[in-house]
Amino acid sequence: DTAVSQTPKYLVTQMGNDKSIKCEQNLGHDTMYWYKQDSKKFLKIMFSYNNKELIINETVPNRFSPKSPDKAHLNLHINSLELGDSAVYFCASSHGGDRYTFGSGTRLTVV
Amino acid sequence: GESVGLHLPTLSVQEGDNSIINCAYSNSASDYFIWYKQESGKGPQFIIDIRSNMDKRQGQRVTVLLNKTVKHLSLQIAATQPGDSAVYFCAGEHPGSARQLTFGSGTQLTVLP
Repeated sequence: DTAVSQTPKYLVTQMGNDKSIKCEQNLGHDTMYWYKQDSKKFLKIMFSYNNKELIINETVPNRFSPKSPDKAHLNLHINSLELGDSAVYFCASSHGGDRYTFGSGTRLTVV
Repeated sequence: GESVGLHLPTLSVQEGDNSIINCAYSNSASDYFIWYKQESGKGPQFIIDIRSNMDKRQGQRVTVLLNKTVKHLSLQIAATQPGDSAVYFCAGEHPGSARQLTFGSGTQLTVLP
């Protein structure tokens, strides 16, 4: 069983479109995250979310929004996609901030 | 805030030799550190972690050393194998970061036959 699963694995879309990436964890963790990895492999936190609070990295455009229907899911919605949004997006989860477990990533390409 | 950086973007070692990957951090309040391994096309995988009340921790073939005085940590891999070839990241947390991990820039480890 995959601990943190995200779909789709690849996403190619046109500029201006709206898209979503889904993430589910079956570890019983209390906190979930979204990270963006750029072409130079740099991993940057976008959001962290538990059932009490959402922490948004101040550099994330408001076109990006996380949505959590329940503790096991944290989906990422992106509106009005831009070329610069092309990257690999990783979902992760942890219990109390320890030992994050990452998904296998979604490679987003905006054309 | 916290910034975490790795000293070398690439490292090549002979199979069977030991590897040492270094990392520096900026925030002296950082109290938790993790090393991750990322293979091509995959997500980061947990290797080992260490809290600031320790200066050394050992796992299977890996050791993490933490020097709080100079804000430096290292990952040592014993008897490096071809399967160890990957990008290695250090990441740190501090109490004021809402327990968000800040990642360094990564070191590409290549194991030569």
